[in-house]
Amino acid sequence: DVKVTQSSRYLVKRTGEKVFLECVQDMDHENMFWYRQDPGLGLRLIYFSYDVKMKEKGDIPEGYSVSREKKERFSLILESASTNQTSMYLCASSLWVGGPGEQFFGPGTRLTVL
Amino acid sequence: AQKVTQAQTEISVVEKEDVTLDCVYETRDTTYYLFWYKQPPSGELVFLIRRNSFDEQNEISGRYSWNFQKSTSSFNFTITASQVVDSAVYFCALSERETSGSRLTFGEGTQLTVNP
Repeated sequence: DVKVTQSSRYLVKRTGEKVFLECVQDMDHENMFWYRQDPGLGLRLIYFSYDVKMKEKGDIPEGYSVSREKKERFSLILESASTNQTSMYLCASSLWVGGPGEQFFGPGTRLTVL
Repeated sequence: AQKVTQAQTEISVVEKEDVTLDCVYETRDTTYYLFWYKQPPSGELVFLIRRNSFDEQNEISGRYSWNFQKSTSSFNFTITASQVVDSAVYFCALSERETSGSRLTFGEGTQLTVNP
């Protein structure tokens, strides 16, 4: 079974702190994604990556950066956390199967910024 | 630009009722893919179906069925004889093959509550 794991289920940080959210997948997927989920807004794509060291901005990249040094790991970084970044963060991975394959999701990290 | 609209924010039904979740999409691409995901209270999204734009056949999987109509740009999801375990948030998503690559655009989601 494909497994996507995220480093924390719950995280509480203070305004201005640097925050790292880690995501690891074990099925050699080339594509990885970071979303945030807020009530009434669905899932919004922050950043994604097609390959190691490659990254593309999603719909809401402001205030975030990412790192993909190894194929299995995709990190989301909040350089200086703010209260409006309080949200549920979801990581996903997928294969290209002649078209976009299904995305496999991690359990999510609920981040609270005080 | 691609867009997915799930106009029903919340639906509440009684067990054993049939329920249809609507999904309307916008795209300029001729090749695209549509998805449905389920997010139960535990929070982890579960893949339900992937359909490409060239396959308009309806699909049935147990109590679940999907109706894809290109003429109305809709990809609706029906649960027959609903059960309490069907209570979840359901998301519809779209990917345009040429412009999106592997990324998906999600709708806002529909919260389905099935009452005993």
